[in-house]
Amino acid sequence: DIQMTQSPSSLSASIGDKVTITCRASQGISSFLNWYQHKPGKAPKLLIYAASSLQSGVPSRFTGSASGTDFTLTISSLQPEDFATYYCQQSFSTPLTFGGGTQVEIK
Amino acid sequence: EVQLVESGGDLVKPGTSLRLSCAASGFTFSSAWMSWVRQAPGRGLEWVGRIKRKTDGGTADYATPVKGRFTISRDDSQNTLFLQLNSLKTEDTAVYYCTTYSNTWYMSDYWGQGTLVTVSS
Repeated sequence: DIQMTQSPSSLSASIGDKVTITCRASQGISSFLNWYQHKPGKAPKLLIYAASSLQSGVPSRFTGSASGTDFTLTISSLQPEDFATYYCQQSFSTPLTFGGGTQVEIK
Repeated sequence: EVQLVESGGDLVKPGTSLRLSCAASGFTFSSAWMSWVRQAPGRGLEWVGRIKRKTDGGTADYATPVKGRFTISRDDSQNTLFLQLNSLKTEDTAVYYCTTYSNTWYMSDYWGQGTLVTVSS
């Protein structure tokens, strides 16, 4: 199975901050990398697919990028509704695997 | 509007079985690939498996921890996805989410609200 290593596991940030979350795949996955946002008691939400494509309806402050097996989710200016846990997921091969998650908290 | 509504979650004992359902609406269910994802208490998201649409073979793939114990199936006439859970273990305790599953980039684009399965003696 492909392992996805996500960092950091948690971070504290203020409204308006730029936030960066990274994910490293244990082998090449081309651009088959997705990012999800999950809030407690809610359904997870797809933010980014194919490493850098913004899902319809998702604010443009969310961007995804890739460099080899390293992937990055950036929130350009953190908003109150962005406090949540974020997960990367590789969809290059089954079984699909998620990173361990990054909990974004209010500083 | 895409809607996915899971049901069937319950408190069950180890070694027993359970069947989850996911009622789909707002899209052409028979044309969709579908998947299940779970989240154990205090843990992250875990992919359980996916099923292709019948025109793509209708086959299913599974995560290693559930392979041989769980079975995904679909009833296109009822717009319903199923997850049969057999030989349940305490570590299968989780909220189980039904998702649509893109057959291009293989992401879960729509999610249900989830149903809780608790496995405990």
